[in-house]
Amino acid sequence: GQQLNQSPQSMFIQEGEDVSMNCTSSSIFNTWLWYKQDPGEGPVLLIALYKAGELTSNGRLTAQFGITRKDSFLNISASIPSDVGIYFCAGPPNTGNQFYFGTGTSLTVIP
Amino acid sequence: GAGVSQSPSNKVTEKGKDVELRCDPISGHTALYWYRQSLGQGLEFLIYFQGNSAPDKSGLPSDRFSAERTGGSVSTLTIQRTQQEDSAVYLCASSREIYNEQFFGPGTRLTVL
Repeated sequence: GQQLNQSPQSMFIQEGEDVSMNCTSSSIFNTWLWYKQDPGEGPVLLIALYKAGELTSNGRLTAQFGITRKDSFLNISASIPSDVGIYFCAGPPNTGNQFYFGTGTSLTVIP
Repeated sequence: GAGVSQSPSNKVTEKGKDVELRCDPISGHTALYWYRQSLGQGLEFLIYFQGNSAPDKSGLPSDRFSAERTGGSVSTLTIQRTQQEDSAVYLCASSREIYNEQFFGPGTRLTVL
C-alpha cells in the first residue's frame, strides 16, 4: 500500500536551532497536511497545503508542497522546548479514497 | 464549541472479549475517520465515513473489526474476539468534508490481556 516516508526518523537538537524534516511518497498527493502529536494526545493540525509549490507559514513553522506533488517539507525556526513531539505528514493521494499518515519524525529539543 | 470526544479513554479487556469504542465528532462535520496507533508508531487508517454514504472499510485489519455511524454523527468501532495484537490507541477524527483538515480526539487506549 501507500507509504509516506518521513526523514529523519528522530532528531535531537539544541534549543534555538532550526529544524528541517521532509516527507516523500510514491504517489502524487493533492493535499499535504502536517500534524504534531504530543504524548498521550491526538495529532493537531499545524499547516495545510493545497497547491504544488505552495509555501505556507504558521508562526515559526514553514511548510512547502513539493512541485512534483510527491513530497513536502516542514521547517521549524528557533526551536523551543515545547516543540518536542512527533511530527506527521498526511494527505490523500490523487487516486483512491484513503488518507495516509507518514511514519513520523520524533523531535527532542534540549534546553 | 466542543472538539472530538472519545470514550472510554482507557479500556482493559481480556483476550476474546468484544469491545466498543465511541467517537463524538465535531458538530457539522460530515466526515469521520478511525485510526489505530501502536506504541511509538504512526497512524494506521482503519475506516472513514462521509455523510450517509457507505463507509470505506478497506483499511480494517480483519473481519473482527466493524464500525457504524448513526444518524451521520456518533460512531462506534467494535472489535470482536479481541486479540493481544489489537492493543493500541484508537484515534477518531472528523472533518467538515472529506479530505479537509481532520481534527482528532484524544484517543482510546485499548489493552488486551
